[in-house]
Amino acid sequence: DAMVIQNPRYQVTQFGKPVTLSCSQTLNHNVMYWYQQKSSQAPKLLFHYYDKDFNNEADTPDNFQSRRPNTSFCFLDIRSPGLGDAAMYLCATSRDNQETQYFGPGTRLLVL
Amino acid sequence: DAKTTQPPSMDCAEGRAANLPCNHSTISGNEYVYWYRQIHSQGPQYIIHGLKNNETNEMASLIITEDRKSSTLILPHATLRDTAVYYCIVRLLSYNQGGKLIFGQGTELSVKP
Repeated sequence: DAMVIQNPRYQVTQFGKPVTLSCSQTLNHNVMYWYQQKSSQAPKLLFHYYDKDFNNEADTPDNFQSRRPNTSFCFLDIRSPGLGDAAMYLCATSRDNQETQYFGPGTRLLVL
Repeated sequence: DAKTTQPPSMDCAEGRAANLPCNHSTISGNEYVYWYRQIHSQGPQYIIHGLKNNETNEMASLIITEDRKSSTLILPHATLRDTAVYYCIVRLLSYNQGGKLIFGQGTELSVKP
C-alpha cells in the first residue's frame, strides 16, 4: 500500500546533541510537510517542501532545518535539541498544495 | 490562529451515531472544511472535506449549513475504535499558502460500550 513512513517511531537524544528524523513516501507526492505536536496540543506546521522549494513558517526556530534529497525522502534536522523540543514530529504529504494531506505515524522525540 | 470552534469533549454510545459540531463563522467563500482524527499516539487520519455541499464517504458524512458558518461530522455507527480527537479545520487552498492545515484543539470523542 502507498504510504507515508516515519522512522524511527521513538527517538531519544541528549540535550544539545544533533538529531535527524526521517520521512519517506511511496505516494510520489510533490509536497512534504513537517509538523510538531507537543503533549496535549494540536499539530503545528514547521515547514514544507513543494518539490525542491523550501517554505519555512515564520515562527519556526532556526534550530530546526530540513532537507529533501529526492521526491521520496524528507529529513528534519534539529541542530541543538533543547528540553522544549521533546514532542511528536509528524510528516505529511500531498500531491499538490491544494490536495489532501496524508500523515505518517509520527516520531516521538525524547530529549534527556 | 485556527478559525474553528469545537466542544472539547463528547461521549457516544457504541453503535449510535456520533454527531460532532464545528463552528467556523469567519469562513471565506474559497475555504474548505476538513476533518481529521487522531487516535492516541498516531498520526492524524484524513476523514472527509467539503466546500458547501454535504459529503459522504465510507467513513463519515459531512453536513455544512447553507451559510457555511458551521458543520457537523457524522459517524453513523460509532465503534470503540472511533475513540479519538477529531479536528475540524478551515483550509485556504491557495498556492502561496501551501494549503497549510491550522489545527485547533479538536473534540475528544469517547465511544463507550
